[in-house]
Amino acid sequence: DVKVTQSSRYLVKRTGEKVFLECVQDMDHENMFWYRQDPGLGLRLIYFSYDVKMKEKGDIPEGYSVSREKKERFSLILESASTNQTSMYLCASRLGYEQYFGPGTRLTVT
Amino acid sequence: GENVEQHPSTLSVQEGDSAVIKCTYSDSASNYFPWYKQELGKRPQLIIDIRSNVGEKKDQRIAVTLNKTAKHFSLHITETQPEDSAVYFCAATPEAAGNKLTFGGGTRVLVKP
Repeated sequence: DVKVTQSSRYLVKRTGEKVFLECVQDMDHENMFWYRQDPGLGLRLIYFSYDVKMKEKGDIPEGYSVSREKKERFSLILESASTNQTSMYLCASRLGYEQYFGPGTRLTVT
Repeated sequence: GENVEQHPSTLSVQEGDSAVIKCTYSDSASNYFPWYKQELGKRPQLIIDIRSNVGEKKDQRIAVTLNKTAKHFSLHITETQPEDSAVYFCAATPEAAGNKLTFGGGTRVLVKP
């Protein structure tokens, strides 16, 4: 059974703070993804990675960076959090065509 | 890049009735179209998908249809039950994009008992 976990379910940070969101998968998947979920906007891709130390920008990368030092772990970094980054963040990993999602982190930036 | 539009944004149906959600896409190269279901407070999960060489696919009470000429695809749920209440997302991708899915905005389905 595929397992994708995220470090926090809820997170509250202040404007300007550096924020790390961690995602771990246990199925040796090569591809991992970070999405942002906002009502009415669906799931928007921030960054994805197809191998260790490899990354590609998604549709909304501005204000974010990522790190993939190990195959199982993909981190999303908000260098200086802003209130417009308040959102639900979902990580996913891929096997074949199916993407397996983590439980999500609801981030509030005040 | 790909753009996916999904309608309606909310859908309320009586238990036992059918529900239909429609999506349109812009990139004629797209050839894989999955549907994800997200129950309240839970993660999205794949429920059905279709590839461009197939016009229709069924799995028990759910079915997807694809019209490549018109660039639209639909999800049909028959004999709806309360557990079908959820947010449904359509998505599209060309294979060359390495499964970089572009999602629609989502449809909140409420099945009233």
